[in-house]
Amino acid sequence: SYVLTQPPSVSVAPGQTARITCGGNNIGSKSVHWYQQKPGQAPVLVVYDDSDRPSGIPERFSGSNSGNTATLTISRVEAGDEADYYCQVWDSSSDLWVFGGGTKLTVL
Amino acid sequence: QLQLQESGPGLVKPSETLSLTCTVSGGSISSSSYYWGWIRQPPGKGLEWIGSIYYSGSTYYNPSLKSRVTISVDTSKNQFSLKLSSVTAADTAVYYCARNTAMVRLYDYWGQGTLVTVSS
Repeated sequence: SYVLTQPPSVSVAPGQTARITCGGNNIGSKSVHWYQQKPGQAPVLVVYDDSDRPSGIPERFSGSNSGNTATLTISRVEAGDEADYYCQVWDSSSDLWVFGGGTKLTVL
Repeated sequence: QLQLQESGPGLVKPSETLSLTCTVSGGSISSSSYYWGWIRQPPGKGLEWIGSIYYSGSTYYNPSLKSRVTISVDTSKNQFSLKLSSVTAADTAVYYCARNTAMVRLYDYWGQGTLVTVSS
């Protein structure tokens, strides 16, 4: 089955840029969605279709996807961005939904 | 505003069947534009997709759980349900129900989640 690989943790200072990667075989051919999850809360969609933002999500959140890696970029990181982030795709070849293992973003 | 609410026992004994229901309000579960899914999260761990169902009854299951999972839909009650059989402590998790768009297969609305503990 299709596997998505994320780094367990990423640390960044306030005001800097955080980049969280999501690796998968030819992931560039799939639509990647990103979710933010804060402790005790349900996940929230922050980027969909590789690089689009739902209404209400700050422009600081952006995404890209090419080759074997998709990336969630958070510019001008704030303390409130500290959370777990998950990538997700739908594997059309098997009709299965797949989540990455998650990345904990720490704001120093 | 669409809302999803999970309900069911918070404690299940080992070897028994876990049963949860998700009630959808503010929208119809019979829409052809959406799938409805279950996702779980063991304490301190990541998200795991369990399965999804279309209003027509078509189901899709995580291969690792397929032999134990049944997802069903009741359009008359605007609900869909999860049954997971032969549970063990490894099935202890927060269980979320969520709406999945048919076009791009993302989860746009989630329930608040419900903790199910497997213990005797």
